[in-house]
Parts: sequence; structure tokens; C-alpha cells
Amino acid sequence: DSGVTQTPKHLITATGQRVTLRCSPRSGDLSVYWYQQSLDQGLQFLIQYYNGEERAKGNILERFSAQQFPDLHSELNLSSLELGDSALYFCASSVAKSGNTIYFGEGSWLTVV
Amino acid sequence: AQTVTQSQPEMSVQEAETVTLSCTYDTSESDYYLFWYKQPPSRQMILVIRQEAYKQQNATENRFSVNFQKAAKSFSLKISDSQLGDAAMYFCAYENSGYALNFGKGTSLLVTP
Repeated sequence: DSGVTQTPKHLITATGQRVTLRCSPRSGDLSVYWYQQSLDQGLQFLIQYYNGEERAKGNILERFSAQQFPDLHSELNLSSLELGDSALYFCASSVAKSGNTIYFGEGSWLTVV
Repeated sequence: AQTVTQSQPEMSVQEAETVTLSCTYDTSESDYYLFWYKQPPSRQMILVIRQEAYKQQNATENRFSVNFQKAAKSFSLKISDSQLGDAAMYFCAYENSGYALNFGKGTSLLVTP
């Protein structure tokens, strides 16, 4: 158990819909990361927050947004869903902005039908 | 973006034997961090080993060790005394203060009895 909690574990939704994935980082960790893992794209970095502020942005679509709340939990919002958004979405956390070990949650499986 | 390349999509090793997984990366930075993560069929991302670029000594964790060649920008993972439980996808990853953790496409390791 990494200490990073993600909900829901599985989600099936229709195209055009909107979903929210939730992440609670390990106790004491200030950084939260979101990654997308699809079959043909490997692990793609989406976005990082550090202590409530956006720190780094990767290949995140405009239809996707995220935030980190004062209690340090984070949410990833995916809207206008397309079939190609079906993937495993990982949240990860670490103590600092960079350099420290990054611990991953078990992921949220999103299936868009 | 910093590029991480894993040139071996699949590798196979017999139980109790040694296998080396290759990883190269592209960076102009002198200070950075390198990681190997393991992803078993459960899809959980598990840290195997971490290397700080300023340290010349190669990192070791039990049966796992790395060969870090900074000038060559190479970071290979050696697994000694391979076990059936080592079968997984292995990802090499790079991070520095300006970039979040960036993964290679992975190497699938098969362990045969």
C-alpha cells in the first residue's frame, strides 16, 4: 500500500459525459501528479500541483482540468469524453517539488463507451 | 521535453539468472534523478530503484542494481537471481527540477521457470 488513495477504482461512462477522479496523497506529501496510461501511449504526464498551486503541465487536453485543494487532495475533471480517453489514470504524490520518490496510487480505470 | 528511451520492448530471463534492461535519456541538465519502476499485472506502479545524477556510486537495492553512465546518458537495470515475481513491465523514468517524472515506453520482462 503506497498510501495514495484514488477513487473510484473503476468507472464506465458514455461519450460526451463528464467525470471527476479523486486523489488523496500520502500524509505529509505536498506534490500531487496525474498520469494517464493507455495501451498505446504508455505513461503520459498530465499535470502536477505543489501545495495547491499548479507546478508543471504536460500533455493535458483542454477538456481536462485539475485542482489541488487546501487539504491537499486533488481532483482530475474529464469532460466531453471520447472513446480515446479510456485509460488508467494514476495519481501520485511526493514530499517535494522534485527529486523525491514519487508514490503511485492504484489508479482509476476509466472506460468510455 | 526530456526523452527517455527503452530500446527493448520485451526481454526474457530464466529463473535464477541475471538480466539487464537498457535505458537511455536525453538531457542537457547536470542535476537530475533517474528511476526504475515496476508494473506487475495488477498495474500498481512500484518503485524499484532511484539514482541521483550527482552521485557517482551506482544505486543498489537487494537483487536490483543500476549501471549509471552519466556521460553516455545511460541507466540500465540489472536484476540478479531472477524470480517469477519479477515478471512485470519495467519503466525507466527521468526527472529534474524543471520537469516532472517522464517515463520511457517500458520493457516487458518474462521470467521462465
